[in-house]
Amino acid sequence: EIVLTQSPATLSLSPGERATLSCRASQSVSSYLAWYQQKPGQAPRLLIYDASNRATGIPARFSGSGSGTDFTLTISSLEPEDFAVYYCQQRSNWPQGTFGGGTKVEIK
Amino acid sequence: EVQLVESGGGLVQPGGSLRLSCAASGFTFSSYWMSWVRQAPGKGLEWVANIKQDGSEKYYVDSVKGRFTISRDNAKNSLYLQMNSLRAEDTAVYYCARDLVGDSSGYYSGYFDYWGQGTLVTVSS
Repeated sequence: EIVLTQSPATLSLSPGERATLSCRASQSVSSYLAWYQQKPGQAPRLLIYDASNRATGIPARFSGSGSGTDFTLTISSLEPEDFAVYYCQQRSNWPQGTFGGGTKVEIK
Repeated sequence: EVQLVESGGGLVQPGGSLRLSCAASGFTFSSYWMSWVRQAPGKGLEWVANIKQDGSEKYYVDSVKGRFTISRDNAKNSLYLQMNSLRAEDTAVYYCARDLVGDSSGYYSGYFDYWGQGTLVTVSS
C-alpha cells in the first residue's frame, strides 16, 4: 500500500501570503498525483491532476509540482476563499487510490 | 450541468445493511468509471470502491471486501453501493465521484472531477 504523508498538518497564514503544502509518498507514484480542496460541509474539489495540471476552472494562483515521492501544492497569494483543507491523492496503483491525511490552511 | 445526487444513508445497527444510490445527470454516465469515497466524521478521505464503465470490473478497499458491493445501471444513470455486515468504523459520509476522463473503451484517469453532496451513514446501536 502506498502511503501519502502531508505536511504541515496546519498552516496558519494571512490573505495575500504564499502557501506551500507538501505531500510525500512512501514509494514512487511517478506523476500520478492530484490535489483536492475541501471546505466545511462540502464535497472535495479537484484542483490539480498528474502533479501539475490544473483542472477546469481552477485559478492560476494554484500550481502543483513534483514527481516520484515529493510533491508540492503552491497557492501564490491566498484569497479569503482558499482557507480550507487540502488533500493529495495518488493513482499510481489504481484501482487502489489513496489519499493523504490533509493539510488545513487557516487564517492567521 | 453535471450532477451527482446520493441517497440512502441513515442510522443502522451494527451487522445491518444499507443500500446507497447515486443518481447521475448532465453527462454520458456509461462513459465513466465511477467510485465511492467516504469520510469519517472529522477525518480524511478514503476511497471505497470503483466500477468500470460497463460494470465488468469492480474493485474495493481491503476493509470492505466481502461486505460491500458496487454496481451500476447505465440505463437508469445510477450507481449503487450495497453495504452488508456494517461496523461502527463504516460510519462516514459517502460520496459518489466521477472519473476525470470519459471514455467508453474503458480508460480511466484515477482522479475524481465531480462529486455528489454525500450521504451520511451512521452505524450504531
